[in-house]
Amino acid sequence: GENVEQHPSTLSVQEGDSAVIKCTYSDSASNYFPWYKQELGKRPQLIIDIRSNVGEKKDQRIAVTLNKTAKHFSLHITETQPEDSAVYFCAANFGNEKLTFGTGTRLTIIP
Amino acid sequence: DVKVTQSSRYLVKRTGEKVFLECVQDMDHENMFWYRQDPGLGLRLIYFSYDVKMKEKGDIPEGYSVSREKKERFSLILESASTNQTSMYLCASARVRGYTFGSGTRLTVV
Repeated sequence: GENVEQHPSTLSVQEGDSAVIKCTYSDSASNYFPWYKQELGKRPQLIIDIRSNVGEKKDQRIAVTLNKTAKHFSLHITETQPEDSAVYFCAANFGNEKLTFGTGTRLTIIP
Repeated sequence: DVKVTQSSRYLVKRTGEKVFLECVQDMDHENMFWYRQDPGLGLRLIYFSYDVKMKEKGDIPEGYSVSREKKERFSLILESASTNQTSMYLCASARVRGYTFGSGTRLTVV
């Protein structure tokens, strides 16, 4: 079935350190993998995405890596700052535009 | 800037009531989606639509229905609200990829 597993569910990181969140997906046909950030009381917002024809994508302090063989992808945040504290969701597409989301990771940056 | 607007931010309804949640997008997107968000369960897809008058079931459609009479509007209907439908409901729209979410409707069924 269509499944996306996300770990860890909570993550606390000292300010300035790196944070890594990992996801696995079940369908080898999936080819689009976005990451969303949801701050407290706000809507999820797309922060980065990757398509299956590349292995890594970077945008300033954020990067996503994809391993299609192993069917997993990861979000890396470097030099973490207090404003990075939020819930992060990974997702994968299953047939066209439909996304299945992971269960979320609550990231807390400790000053 | 794409706007996805959900009509209510907070809603309290009684068990057995018929509930309508409205979602409107202003960017002529073909695809629209309804998710519910619960702690520890992430976002789960209820229904989606690729075109006017078209709908498809998501992962948890039981107890819900939808309506898409116009391209910009996608309505979620709780036929007979129950307490286990207390949740945050998020609407999203997309042209190809990359959803834009609405602000959400927090529904409490008492």
